[in-house]
Amino acid sequence: AQTVTQSQPEMSVQEAETVTLSCTYDTSESDYYLFWYKQPPSRQMILVIRQEAYKQQNATENRFSVNFQKAAKSFSLKISDSQLGDAAMYFCAYRSTTMNRDDKIIFGKGTRLHILP
Amino acid sequence: NAGVTQTPKFQVLKTGQSMTLQCAQDMNHEYMSWYRQDPGMGLRLIHYSVGAGITDQGEVPNGYNVSRSTTEDFPLRLLSAAPSQTSVYFCASSPLVESRGETQYFGPGTRLLVL
Repeated sequence: AQTVTQSQPEMSVQEAETVTLSCTYDTSESDYYLFWYKQPPSRQMILVIRQEAYKQQNATENRFSVNFQKAAKSFSLKISDSQLGDAAMYFCAYRSTTMNRDDKIIFGKGTRLHILP
Repeated sequence: NAGVTQTPKFQVLKTGQSMTLQCAQDMNHEYMSWYRQDPGMGLRLIHYSVGAGITDQGEVPNGYNVSRSTTEDFPLRLLSAAPSQTSVYFCASSPLVESRGETQYFGPGTRLLVL
């Protein structure tokens, strides 16, 4: 069974600085998707960025980028120029591409990010 | 499009009571799922469905039932509420098959308190 591990329950970063949130996963599959979601105090789940495992190029969305290391099964999120609005809980998630009924989307336990003014 | 809607937003139950959390989506998504979110535990999958008439158990299915009679609706039933089911419940939907890289669309959540 696939698992997703976020080893940092909480992190803090100074406004305008860069922070990296770590995520590791375990799977026997060769093709899959990885996601980072943001959950602000409103509890709304917001997709930040996604990565397809068969693509070697790291995904980037404005100030958000990932470092995808497939062999190491690592998928970290880098936030550049941190802003107060980035303060939230961040979840890493895994989704298989296997086209059968075992289509589970697995989440890590989350990392709470604090932005210090 | 309303996206994914959940009702109620907040509910208080007594131990032993039953209730149904409603979830509906208007995006014609095949995949729907229920998660519970507890402090320090992330989102844990309760049940999921890959289409009408098909449901499967997730990580923490005990105490919950689901059905999927239509593509749009995916209700979650608590048969006999227990304090351990106090949590925030999220419903989510997404396309299936060739669009697995699509994000899940989440509802606003239902906060449940079992006394």
